[in-house]
Amino acid sequence: QSALTQPPSASGSLGQSVTISCTGTSSDIGAYNYVSWYQQHPGKAPKLLIYEVNKRPSGVPARFSGSKSGNTASLTVSGLQAEDEADYYCNSYTGDNRLFGGGTKLTVL
Amino acid sequence: QVQLQESGPGLVKPSQTLSLTCTVSGDSINSPDYFWSWIRQSPGKGLEWIGYIYYSGTTYYNPSLRSLFAISLDMSKNQFYLKLTSVTAADTAVYYCAREVPSATFDYWGQGTLVTVSS
Repeated sequence: QSALTQPPSASGSLGQSVTISCTGTSSDIGAYNYVSWYQQHPGKAPKLLIYEVNKRPSGVPARFSGSKSGNTASLTVSGLQAEDEADYYCNSYTGDNRLFGGGTKLTVL
Repeated sequence: QVQLQESGPGLVKPSQTLSLTCTVSGDSINSPDYFWSWIRQSPGKGLEWIGYIYYSGTTYYNPSLRSLFAISLDMSKNQFYLKLTSVTAADTAVYYCAREVPSATFDYWGQGTLVTVSS
């Protein structure tokens, strides 16, 4: 099974919105509503941002939102802040595995 | 507050066995509500799920990985473990332990421990 496909980089200016895509197949993202997103700052552990496609754990700002269409999931960060500069990873359940995306480095301009 | 902490040797020689421990606090690994997972991240690369163990001792591993991983637990110590035999340089990575909820979501992570395979 191949990793989910994410763009290696994304960028946006302070206060703007940016969307990061995560493309899979009909066997993973397209088959289950078990997509999650993680934020990772350098040298730190990943932090859960979104689970089950569009649910936010308590404590995660509403600026972070998730969605899914077909085999592609998306993470949108609205009102970009400097601390949002980090790596972002998607993850999907596949029935017999948990696949991660290759990660997207978000730069806040 | 749930916390996980990995521990183990930072350096392992090729062909030897890697053993890591994850100590859980703020929750019991005896809970039927969660799975306890290991995930690794090779230098400069993405994340890779290794497998999980359930409180019953049931384990499940990433079918894409070599079958040289073994996960076990000790409820009396509230710890779970990862063992990888016959390591190679490709096993050099930061290893994380994490709590997994039934929707395959990793909601709590340890800080990670870097393991380097080198002679």
